[in-house]
Amino acid sequence: RKEVEQDPGPFNVPEGATVAFNCTYSNSASQSFFWYRQDCRKEPKLLMSVYSSGNEDGRFTAQLNRASQYISLLIRDSKLSDSATYLCVVNRRSGGYQKVTFGTGTKLQVIP
Amino acid sequence: DAGVTQSPTHLIKTRGQQVTLRCSPKSGHDTVSWYQQALGQGPQFIFQYYEEEERQRGNFPDRFSGHQFPNYSSELNVNALLLGDSALYLCASSLGLAEEYQETQYFGPGTRLLVL
Repeated sequence: RKEVEQDPGPFNVPEGATVAFNCTYSNSASQSFFWYRQDCRKEPKLLMSVYSSGNEDGRFTAQLNRASQYISLLIRDSKLSDSATYLCVVNRRSGGYQKVTFGTGTKLQVIP
Repeated sequence: DAGVTQSPTHLIKTRGQQVTLRCSPKSGHDTVSWYQQALGQGPQFIFQYYEEEERQRGNFPDRFSGHQFPNYSSELNVNALLLGDSALYLCASSLGLAEEYQETQYFGPGTRLLVL
């Protein structure tokens, strides 16, 4: 089983729709979680950190469920510019250092 | 505030050759991590440098080696290139001793390597 798993999609949604992605992780020692956005042929860019209490940034809401070992990203009122691949990142301490694991990404296509 | 920079942006090599990729971290960051991203995949961790030493390594062969300089910049070297080494190579910088949620990684634009 992969340490971090995401549905690769693609998720094709109309403008204005609400879409949600999940990401599951296998190691219960995982400590911090992030969502990155990656546009085609570009580098990943930090979208938001994911906190235990959940956090919101405009149209984006991230949630963490430690009991079920998954994080989620909700995008409301989708815009064409939201079309990208969304990468889930899970960090845990290993041997005193941070071990960073990326999911394979979920592709979102927002359609006019 | 300069972000993470990488050079070159694109590179074409042939099998068996050697390549060196370069990265300068974000201002104030002291840790550099290298990733390989194949088409349609998430970034795969190669190794991380802190205080001029490799302190973590992913599942990559010894053909992949690196270096960090006193100014925190870093190089990734790949020897005996294989066709399968064709990928986007990403450099990410962070703070080595930061609190948990500050260990956010910031990525450079990447070097796209094509091995023919």
